[in-house]
Amino acid sequence: DAGVTQSPTHLIKTRGQHVTLRCSPISGHKSVSWYQQVLGQGPQFIFQYYEKEERGRGNFPDRFSARQFPNYSSELNVNALLLGDSALYLCASSTRGAPYEQYFGPGTRLTVT
Amino acid sequence: AQSVSQHNHHVILSEAASLELGCNYSYGGTVNLFWYVQYPGQHLQLLLKYFSGDPLVKGIKGFEAEFIKSKFSFNLRKPSVQWSDTAEYFCAVRGGADGLTFGKGTHLIIQP
Repeated sequence: DAGVTQSPTHLIKTRGQHVTLRCSPISGHKSVSWYQQVLGQGPQFIFQYYEKEERGRGNFPDRFSARQFPNYSSELNVNALLLGDSALYLCASSTRGAPYEQYFGPGTRLTVT
Repeated sequence: AQSVSQHNHHVILSEAASLELGCNYSYGGTVNLFWYVQYPGQHLQLLLKYFSGDPLVKGIKGFEAEFIKSKFSFNLRKPSVQWSDTAEYFCAVRGGADGLTFGKGTHLIIQP
């Protein structure tokens, strides 16, 4: 079975630009979460979506937004990019409810110059 | 807000040595606890999890962890490490909200 897939793998953007990252969950998983992992740190929770609705939000500015589609895939959008947004963006999928195991994708490496 | 503290950022061991990685969390309610591993060039994988019941949980590849509620700890252990255990290890907690809170990670290097 295919795991969580993310695209693109790598991305280079300029400050002030906008970026869209995409994620496809494991078949049968209806929940998608997004995390930001800065070099040398653990992943930080950005959003969780379930059944196309936002169910949780971390401590990130409004420049970050996301949505989930009817097929449960998801997009993460970041506006007005800053140098500090350079990171590995991880998508995780899970079933709703216990056991709350999250399965992570390979991530999208975003570099802002 | 919940937080996770991993005590050792870098650990270097020889093969066959015993391993214990510390993890403490701060959250007063019911928690779900996880250890994830990230091998070089690979994505995060779940090693083991605790939800309820027996506080000693066993995971993949011979790893185990013990949940001590009174100490807010969930330490990871392995009796005898192998070179292939070289990786980044992350402790994570889910308390209340659906997102996971991760520690900063421990970079483990096993010398042959």
